[in-house]
Amino acid sequence: QVQLVQSGAEVRKPGASVKVSCKASGYNFASYGVNWVRQAPGQGLEWLGWISGYNANTNYAQKFRGRVTMTTDTSTTTVYMELRRLRYDDTAVYYCARDQGFGLVMITPSEWFDPWGRGTLVTVSS
Amino acid sequence: QSVLTQPPSVSGAPGQRVAISCTGTSSNIGADSDVHWYQLLPGAAPKLLISRNSNRPSGVPDRFSASRSGTSSSLAITGVQAEDEADYYCQSFDNSLSGWVFGGGTKLTVL
Repeated sequence: QVQLVQSGAEVRKPGASVKVSCKASGYNFASYGVNWVRQAPGQGLEWLGWISGYNANTNYAQKFRGRVTMTTDTSTTTVYMELRRLRYDDTAVYYCARDQGFGLVMITPSEWFDPWGRGTLVTVSS
Repeated sequence: QSVLTQPPSVSGAPGQRVAISCTGTSSNIGADSDVHWYQLLPGAAPKLLISRNSNRPSGVPDRFSASRSGTSSSLAITGVQAEDEADYYCQSFDNSLSGWVFGGGTKLTVL
């Protein structure tokens, strides 16, 4: 079945970077994109960006441009999300979520996210 | 502050009907962007409940339904059950932000 398995919890100091992985299986990796979404404690969901499984094109939310980088490793069908210059308010559960493949090389507004990974807790603490 | 507005909480007794609203603007729902709904249970992966405004994926109980009108959407649970106690989020695409936006989430309590 289609599955996204994320890496384990991380703790970082303010100013550091974190790289979270999302291993995809059960589908043609190149036919779908993957999104990253986070949920801070007591807050709602927030979209960070999208990466194409076809050619690694990316589209980042305005808020995170310059601080986030998403990459893929097609040999291992793994997607990575690196967030730099971490702040205390970056403490959150980070989810990866697959789209429906409507747009191979660019985000398509009609997409929805399914399935999702179980999330990776990133804690920023001194 | 989330771009889409949801009530923080709703509640209902088992068997009752509950509804959760999701209000957007002319940049997202009002611009004819589709609305999708997700269920979040503690420790579990978020689950798609409704896609494209009113489509229920296979495996989602038919007590869940949703609709969209104008700048809003509404998720209804007809005959709520104890297992439905969870957080619910709406999602849409925002043309001004050129990306997806979510509601702040609604916690459903089954009394």
